[in-house]
Amino acid sequence: QKEVEQDPGPLSVPEGAIVSLNCTYSNSAFQYFMWYRQYSRKGPELLMYTYSSGNKEDGRFTAQVDKSSKYISLFIRDSQPSDSATYLCAMRPYGGSQGNLIFGKGTKLSVKP
Amino acid sequence: DAGITQSPRHKVTETGTPVTLRCHQTENHRYMYWYRQDPGHGLRLIHYSYGVKDTDKGEVSDGYSVSRSKTEDFLLTLESATSSQTSVYFCAITSEGGYTFGSGTRLTVV
Repeated sequence: QKEVEQDPGPLSVPEGAIVSLNCTYSNSAFQYFMWYRQYSRKGPELLMYTYSSGNKEDGRFTAQVDKSSKYISLFIRDSQPSDSATYLCAMRPYGGSQGNLIFGKGTKLSVKP
Repeated sequence: DAGITQSPRHKVTETGTPVTLRCHQTENHRYMYWYRQDPGHGLRLIHYSYGVKDTDKGEVSDGYSVSRSKTEDFLLTLESATSSQTSVYFCAITSEGGYTFGSGTRLTVV
Protein backbone atom coordinates (compact mmCIF):
# COMPACT_ATOMS: atom_id res chain seq x y z
CA GLN A 1 0.00 0.00 0.00
CA LYS A 2 1.31 3.42 -0.97
CA GLU A 3 1.77 5.88 1.88
CA VAL A 4 -0.58 8.39 0.24
CA GLU A 5 -3.34 7.48 -2.19
CA GLN A 6 -5.14 10.00 -4.36
CA ASP A 7 -7.57 9.33 -7.19
CA PRO A 8 -6.02 10.83 -10.33
CA GLY A 9 -9.37 11.60 -11.96
CA PRO A 10 -9.92 13.36 -14.23
CA LEU A 11 -12.87 14.96 -12.50
CA SER A 12 -15.18 17.15 -14.59
CA VAL A 13 -17.88 19.29 -13.00
CA PRO A 14 -20.15 22.15 -14.13
CA GLU A 15 -19.46 25.67 -12.95
CA GLY A 16 -21.00 26.32 -9.53
CA ALA A 17 -20.77 22.70 -8.35
CA ILE A 18 -19.32 21.65 -5.03
CA VAL A 19 -16.13 19.68 -5.56
CA SER A 20 -14.77 17.10 -3.15
CA LEU A 21 -11.17 15.95 -3.47
CA ASN A 22 -9.76 13.27 -1.20
CA CYS A 23 -6.62 11.49 -0.08
CA THR A 24 -6.11 8.49 2.14
CA TYR A 25 -2.90 7.63 3.93
CA SER A 26 -1.42 4.78 5.89
CA ASN A 27 1.14 6.41 8.20
CA SER A 28 -0.51 7.34 11.50
CA ALA A 29 2.48 9.60 12.31
CA PHE A 30 1.40 12.19 9.75
CA GLN A 31 0.46 15.42 11.50
CA TYR A 32 0.78 18.16 8.88
CA PHE A 33 -1.55 18.12 5.90
CA MET A 34 -1.48 20.35 2.85
CA TRP A 35 -3.25 20.88 -0.42
CA TYR A 36 -1.47 22.28 -3.43
CA ARG A 37 -2.95 23.54 -6.69
CA GLN A 38 -0.96 23.17 -9.88
CA TYR A 39 -1.93 24.83 -13.12
CA SER A 40 -0.67 23.35 -16.37
CA ARG A 41 3.06 23.96 -16.89
CA LYS A 42 3.39 25.76 -13.54
CA GLY A 43 4.82 24.83 -10.16
CA PRO A 44 2.52 23.69 -7.35
CA GLU A 45 1.24 26.47 -5.09
CA LEU A 46 0.18 25.97 -1.49
CA LEU A 47 -3.58 26.28 -1.12
CA MET A 48 -4.39 25.04 2.36
CA TYR A 49 -2.42 23.87 5.37
CA THR A 50 -3.74 22.13 8.49
CA TYR A 51 -2.16 20.63 11.54
CA SER A 52 -3.64 17.46 13.07
CA SER A 53 -7.39 16.92 12.85
CA GLY A 54 -10.24 19.28 12.16
CA ASN A 55 -11.46 21.72 9.55
CA LYS A 56 -10.00 24.85 8.07
CA GLU A 57 -11.85 27.26 5.82
CA ASP A 58 -10.48 29.88 3.45
CA GLY A 59 -13.00 31.53 1.20
CA ARG A 60 -14.53 28.89 -1.08
CA PHE A 61 -12.08 26.24 0.11
CA THR A 62 -12.44 23.96 3.13
CA ALA A 63 -9.86 21.39 4.20
CA GLN A 64 -10.86 18.53 6.50
CA VAL A 65 -8.66 16.03 8.28
CA ASP A 66 -10.01 12.85 9.85
CA LYS A 67 -7.05 11.17 11.50
CA SER A 68 -9.12 8.30 12.87
CA SER A 69 -9.96 7.30 9.30
CA LYS A 70 -6.63 8.49 7.82
CA TYR A 71 -8.57 10.55 5.33
CA ILE A 72 -8.26 14.16 4.22
CA SER A 73 -10.55 16.18 1.98
CA LEU A 74 -10.60 19.47 0.15
CA PHE A 75 -13.98 20.98 -0.69
CA ILE A 76 -14.42 23.71 -3.25
CA ARG A 77 -17.72 25.58 -3.15
CA ASP A 78 -19.18 27.45 -6.12
CA SER A 79 -16.46 26.07 -8.38
CA GLN A 80 -15.19 28.31 -11.16
CA PRO A 81 -13.45 27.55 -14.47
CA SER A 82 -10.35 29.16 -12.94
CA ASP A 83 -10.30 26.28 -10.42
CA SER A 84 -9.42 23.90 -13.28
CA ALA A 85 -6.05 22.50 -12.24
CA THR A 86 -4.41 19.48 -10.68
CA TYR A 87 -4.78 19.28 -6.90
CA LEU A 88 -2.10 17.53 -4.87
CA CYS A 89 -2.34 16.50 -1.26
CA ALA A 90 0.82 16.35 0.83
CA MET A 91 1.60 15.35 4.40
CA ARG A 92 4.41 14.76 6.84
CA PRO A 93 4.98 13.69 10.43
CA TYR A 94 5.56 16.07 13.30
CA GLY A 95 9.26 16.80 13.68
CA GLY A 96 11.68 14.46 11.95
CA SER A 97 13.57 15.25 8.79
CA GLN A 98 12.38 18.13 6.67
CA GLY A 99 12.84 15.88 3.67
CA ASN A 100 9.88 13.64 4.31
CA LEU A 101 6.95 15.55 2.85
CA ILE A 102 4.97 12.92 0.95
CA PHE A 103 2.79 13.92 -2.00
CA GLY A 104 -0.22 12.26 -3.55
CA LYS A 105 -0.11 11.89 -7.31
CA GLY A 106 -2.71 14.59 -7.85
CA THR A 107 -6.32 14.81 -9.06
CA LYS A 108 -6.98 16.67 -12.29
CA LEU A 109 -10.08 18.86 -12.04
CA SER A 110 -11.91 20.50 -14.91
CA VAL A 111 -14.70 23.00 -14.23
CA LYS A 112 -16.87 23.55 -17.29
CA PRO A 113 -18.57 26.93 -17.87
CA ASP B 1 7.14 32.64 -7.90
CA ALA B 2 8.02 34.61 -4.83
CA GLY B 3 11.78 34.61 -4.23
CA ILE B 4 12.68 31.43 -6.08
CA THR B 5 13.85 31.09 -9.67
CA GLN B 6 14.96 28.12 -11.70
CA SER B 7 17.18 28.07 -14.76
CA PRO B 8 17.03 27.09 -17.49
CA ARG B 9 13.25 26.80 -18.01
CA HIS B 10 13.68 24.33 -20.85
CA LYS B 11 16.59 22.19 -21.94
CA VAL B 12 17.19 19.46 -24.48
CA THR B 13 20.34 17.45 -24.04
CA GLU B 14 21.90 14.30 -25.41
CA THR B 15 22.25 11.01 -23.59
CA GLY B 16 25.52 10.75 -21.72
CA THR B 17 26.13 14.47 -21.28
CA PRO B 18 26.28 16.17 -17.88
CA VAL B 19 23.56 18.70 -17.12
CA THR B 20 23.29 21.22 -14.29
CA LEU B 21 20.07 22.86 -13.20
CA ARG B 22 20.12 25.90 -10.97
CA CYS B 23 17.78 27.03 -8.24
CA HIS B 24 18.19 30.50 -6.78
CA GLN B 25 16.32 31.93 -3.78
CA THR B 26 16.37 35.42 -2.36
CA GLU B 27 14.73 34.74 1.02
CA ASN B 28 17.63 33.20 2.95
CA HIS B 29 15.79 29.94 3.58
CA ARG B 30 17.81 27.18 5.14
CA TYR B 31 16.02 24.25 3.47
CA MET B 32 15.94 23.73 -0.29
CA TYR B 33 14.68 20.76 -2.27
CA TRP B 34 14.83 19.24 -5.73
CA TYR B 35 11.86 17.22 -6.98
CA ARG B 36 11.03 15.59 -10.26
CA GLN B 37 7.47 15.24 -11.50
CA ASP B 38 6.42 12.50 -13.89
CA PRO B 39 3.01 11.26 -15.06
CA GLY B 40 1.84 8.40 -12.87
CA HIS B 41 4.48 9.09 -10.22
CA GLY B 42 3.71 12.54 -8.95
CA LEU B 43 6.36 14.57 -7.17
CA ARG B 44 9.37 12.63 -5.96
CA LEU B 45 12.19 14.03 -3.86
CA ILE B 46 15.65 13.79 -5.41
CA HIS B 47 17.87 15.60 -2.89
CA TYR B 48 17.47 18.28 -0.31
CA SER B 49 19.73 20.67 1.57
CA TYR B 50 19.51 21.91 5.14
CA GLY B 51 22.35 24.42 4.91
CA VAL B 52 25.50 25.37 3.03
CA LYS B 53 27.35 22.18 2.16
CA ASP B 54 24.71 20.10 4.01
CA THR B 55 22.70 17.85 1.74
CA ASP B 56 20.87 14.54 1.93
CA LYS B 57 19.39 12.03 -0.48
CA GLY B 58 15.73 11.68 -1.28
CA GLU B 59 13.66 8.89 -2.77
CA VAL B 60 15.14 8.96 -6.29
CA SER B 61 18.73 10.19 -5.91
CA ASP B 62 20.54 7.70 -8.17
CA GLY B 63 22.19 9.46 -11.11
CA TYR B 64 21.93 12.90 -9.49
CA SER B 65 24.25 14.98 -7.36
CA VAL B 66 23.73 18.35 -5.71
CA SER B 67 25.81 21.17 -4.36
CA ARG B 68 25.11 24.14 -2.16
CA SER B 69 28.09 26.45 -1.76
CA LYS B 70 25.93 29.51 -0.97
CA THR B 71 22.65 29.82 0.90
CA GLU B 72 20.90 31.22 -2.14
CA ASP B 73 21.92 28.61 -4.75
CA PHE B 74 21.15 24.91 -4.94
CA LEU B 75 22.48 23.09 -8.00
CA LEU B 76 21.26 19.76 -9.34
CA THR B 77 23.64 17.85 -11.64
CA LEU B 78 22.78 14.89 -13.81
CA GLU B 79 26.18 13.31 -14.07
CA SER B 80 25.48 11.42 -17.32
CA ALA B 81 21.96 12.12 -18.57
CA THR B 82 19.74 9.20 -19.54
CA SER B 83 16.35 9.15 -21.25
CA SER B 84 14.75 8.07 -17.96
CA GLN B 85 15.73 11.46 -16.56
CA THR B 86 13.46 13.26 -19.01
CA SER B 87 11.15 15.01 -16.61
CA VAL B 88 10.02 18.30 -15.12
CA TYR B 89 12.27 19.34 -12.26
CA PHE B 90 11.05 21.57 -9.46
CA CYS B 91 13.02 23.34 -6.82
CA ALA B 92 11.32 24.24 -3.55
CA ILE B 93 12.04 26.13 -0.35
CA THR B 94 10.37 25.73 3.00
CA SER B 95 7.77 28.38 3.67
CA GLU B 96 5.15 28.83 6.38
CA GLY B 97 3.04 25.70 6.48
CA GLY B 98 4.56 24.09 3.45
CA TYR B 99 6.83 24.56 0.49
CA THR B 100 7.11 27.26 -2.18
CA PHE B 101 7.96 25.84 -5.57
CA GLY B 102 9.77 27.33 -8.50
CA SER B 103 8.29 27.35 -11.98
CA GLY B 104 10.15 24.22 -13.02
CA THR B 105 12.71 23.12 -15.61
CA ARG B 106 11.47 20.92 -18.42
CA LEU B 107 14.35 18.62 -19.34
CA THR B 108 14.35 16.35 -22.36
CA VAL B 109 17.14 13.82 -22.84
CA VAL B 110 17.38 12.55 -26.41
